[in-house]
Amino acid sequence: KNEVEQSPQNLTAQEGEFITINCSYSVGISALHWLQQHPGGGIVSLFMLSSGKKKHGRLIATINIQEKHSSLHITASHPRDSAVYICVAYSGGGADGLTFGKGTHLIIQP
Amino acid sequence: DGGITQSPKYLFRKEGQNVTLSCEQNLNHDAMYWYRQDPGQGLRLIYYSHIVNDFQKGDIAEGYSVSREKKESFPLTVTSAQKNPTAFYLCASTPGQGGGYTFGSGTRLTVV
Repeated sequence: KNEVEQSPQNLTAQEGEFITINCSYSVGISALHWLQQHPGGGIVSLFMLSSGKKKHGRLIATINIQEKHSSLHITASHPRDSAVYICVAYSGGGADGLTFGKGTHLIIQP
Repeated sequence: DGGITQSPKYLFRKEGQNVTLSCEQNLNHDAMYWYRQDPGQGLRLIYYSHIVNDFQKGDIAEGYSVSREKKESFPLTVTSAQKNPTAFYLCASTPGQGGGYTFGSGTRLTVV
């Protein structure tokens, strides 16, 4: 069974800082999702990627299939980026083929 | 635009009452899933359905029930048998094996 580890678990930074959240997994995957969960719980899907890099606004997601590692970067961080970021790995097999990370709780202070 | 709609966003119920959470998708996806999130834990699979009129238990199905009478709908009922129903519930769908997943926004259920 795949294991997904996110680091750090908690991160507090100042507005404007460059943020990096890491996700490592133990079994080869076909795709990886990054989700954002705001206070109050609503989930927003940020990225799905299977190779390389994707960018949307100030958010950048990268994945290295050989190293079994993905990173989510936030440039010019803002207090509205404060949320829990969840990494979800799809490796196929089983009922849904998904393994969820426990999330990284990010707080951006003004 | 196609997507998944979960309603309501917040739901409050009294202990002992059954409650049904809605999940509707207009993506023509075959497979649908329900997950539960507790503080400090990753999301866990409750039930899933790979095709209409068929569904299977996930890892934590006790105290829950589902139906899949229509392709676009996969409602989850939290029964009074669920010991700790207060949680965040997330619905997801996918066209099939290997397809990209689409996630709903979730429903936060509080039982008082």
